[in-house]
Amino acid sequence: EAGVVQSPRYKIIEKKQPVAFWCNPISGHNTLYWYLQNLGQGPELLIRYENEEAVDDSQLPKDRFSAERLKGVDSTLKIQPAELGDSAVYLCASSSDSAYNEQFFGPGTRLTVL
Amino acid sequence: ELKVEQNPLFLSMQEGKNYTIYCNYSTTSDRLYWYRQDPGKSLESLFVLLSNGAVKQEGRLMASLDTKARLSTLHITAAVHDLSATYFCAVVTTGNQFYFGTGTSLTVIP
Repeated sequence: EAGVVQSPRYKIIEKKQPVAFWCNPISGHNTLYWYLQNLGQGPELLIRYENEEAVDDSQLPKDRFSAERLKGVDSTLKIQPAELGDSAVYLCASSSDSAYNEQFFGPGTRLTVL
Repeated sequence: ELKVEQNPLFLSMQEGKNYTIYCNYSTTSDRLYWYRQDPGKSLESLFVLLSNGAVKQEGRLMASLDTKARLSTLHITAAVHDLSATYFCAVVTTGNQFYFGTGTSLTVIP
């Protein structure tokens, strides 16, 4: 079974430019999460989807960040414009409707904003 | 807001020694996970603890949960170099919200 797929793995951009990340969750997983992980810290939730619906986006900086999950499968996370402080690893995770709702993480996208 | 604290943040230990990582959290929780993260890699699930008194063991790692004390421990027995990684606990609250700890960076020295 394929795991959570993310692309690109690395991205370097200049500040004020836009950037987008893509995530393909594990087949059959209806819940999808985007996390931000700064160096030396634990992941922090940005947004959680249940199918197509964003059920928790309270931590998403909506002035510059946006996300979508069309058709309830793949998802994209966009930053426009990027700032220096956005440099971090962006992790995508997915889970099924099992009793444990265990999350499976993708490899992440490491963003560097110059 | 839920707080999840781990200690120590950094741990350097010799091979063959035992040690315990602690995870404290500030509110009631449905369940708790332990994850491992190698440098530059993503998080790998180690254990899920579902109830008070739950204990799980895999190889040299053993995790336990005390929901009354709001404390989970990850015990390392006879450490080996391959266990060097960062370990995170994650607490799950009602509404399936995950809160991750600060992480414990473990280095096992030969």
